[in-house]
Amino acid sequence: DAGVTQSPTHLIKTRGQQVTLRCSPISGHKSVSWYQQVLGQGPQFIFQYYEKEERGRGNFPDRFSARQFPNYSSELNVNALLLGDSALYLCASTGGYYGYTFGSGTRLTVV
Amino acid sequence: SQQGEEDPQALSIQEGENATMNCSYKTSINNLQWYRQNSGRGLVHLILIRSNEREKHSGRLRVTLDTSKKSSSLLITASRAADTASYFCATDGGRDDKIIFGKGTRLHILP
Repeated sequence: DAGVTQSPTHLIKTRGQQVTLRCSPISGHKSVSWYQQVLGQGPQFIFQYYEKEERGRGNFPDRFSARQFPNYSSELNVNALLLGDSALYLCASTGGYYGYTFGSGTRLTVV
Repeated sequence: SQQGEEDPQALSIQEGENATMNCSYKTSINNLQWYRQNSGRGLVHLILIRSNEREKHSGRLRVTLDTSKKSSSLLITASRAADTASYFCATDGGRDDKIIFGKGTRLHILP
């Protein structure tokens, strides 16, 4: 079975641009969460979706948005990129009790 | 915001020795999880301990939880070079199942 897949793996964008990151959860998992990890820090919670509805939102500006599709895949969108948005963006899916399964992440660099 | 706080921030030990990392958190939890991250890649789930459990083992890993002190420890016995990584604790305690990470402990195993 495939794990959590994220695309793209690396991305370079210019300040002010918009970016879309994609995530496919493990088959059968209905919950997807997004995290931002700045170098040297722990992952910070951005969003959680369950059954296509937003279940939780972290302390991020409205420039960050997400959605979940009927097949449970998810997209994270960031508008008006800032240099400080440079980070590793992690997607995780969970099917219940046994913890999260993370993808390998998308490394976003804003120049 | 981050719920957990790992201690120490960095740890270097000789191969074969035991490594102990600690995590303190602030609010009530349902469960606490430990994750490993190699070189800024995706996180790997190691172990989950419920709030009503005091100790759990998985291979060379031993996790303890003291809810009265709001703290947990991760012990890695007989360390190996491949254990070199960052280790994060993560807690959940809300109605949703989102998890909040600490800042992590960087473990370096010396040959």
